[in-house]
Amino acid sequence: GAGVSQTPSNKVTEKGKYVELRCDPISGHTALYWYRQSLGQGPEFLIYFQGTGAADDSGLPNDRFFAVRPEGSVSTLKIQRTERGDSAVYLCASSLMGQGSPLNTEAFFGQGTRLTVV
Amino acid sequence: AQKVTQAQTEISVVEKEDVTLDCVYETRDTTYYLFWYKQPPSGELVFLIRRNSFDEQNEISGRYSWNFQKSTSSFNFTITASQVVDSAVYFCALSEGGDDKIIFGKGTRLHILP
Repeated sequence: GAGVSQTPSNKVTEKGKYVELRCDPISGHTALYWYRQSLGQGPEFLIYFQGTGAADDSGLPNDRFFAVRPEGSVSTLKIQRTERGDSAVYLCASSLMGQGSPLNTEAFFGQGTRLTVV
Repeated sequence: AQKVTQAQTEISVVEKEDVTLDCVYETRDTTYYLFWYKQPPSGELVFLIRRNSFDEQNEISGRYSWNFQKSTSSFNFTITASQVVDSAVYFCALSEGGDDKIIFGKGTRLHILP
């Protein structure tokens, strides 16, 4: 596709359930990021993939959160035993290379998945 | 530790006025990148600019301009002759050299009144 695609756009789940959020990056982009944005806040970094591997997962809040990118393209963010505090918009972004590379230009963001835990 | 501060939570101006959004950053690295993103009501973050720490030249793009001052650790954004379509939340962000994550400020919500 032309841009970063995230599905679903909205997800309502019950406390304690498991959820998966999907991100389709721009074709050819090796770098993929997950961010979480709570109401009235800026996006908060969760994890960064370079290819298939998680190069930096320092932003994952706890071990209930996990993400994969098995073929270096689509990524799935998985949240186990969801809590009400997990409610937020989860944003995915991709770029040609990591943002720390002087050769890189910009990260393109998807429209996000709004997760509501009730 | 890296940090981005946008002290203005919300700004309202009348259309055609100029408006400046402030951004102050903290980093111990000498190599870093600064960004501005726009988030309209649709929610998607739109890239506006990326500037590396070695390039202090101010930049102008149409009605948008950016003033980068290392001496005050600021990277301010000015919209000239504002328009209603400029209404959005604007985020300033920082990425340290060799570190790929982008750290965002809390954003400034800009209202352009007709």
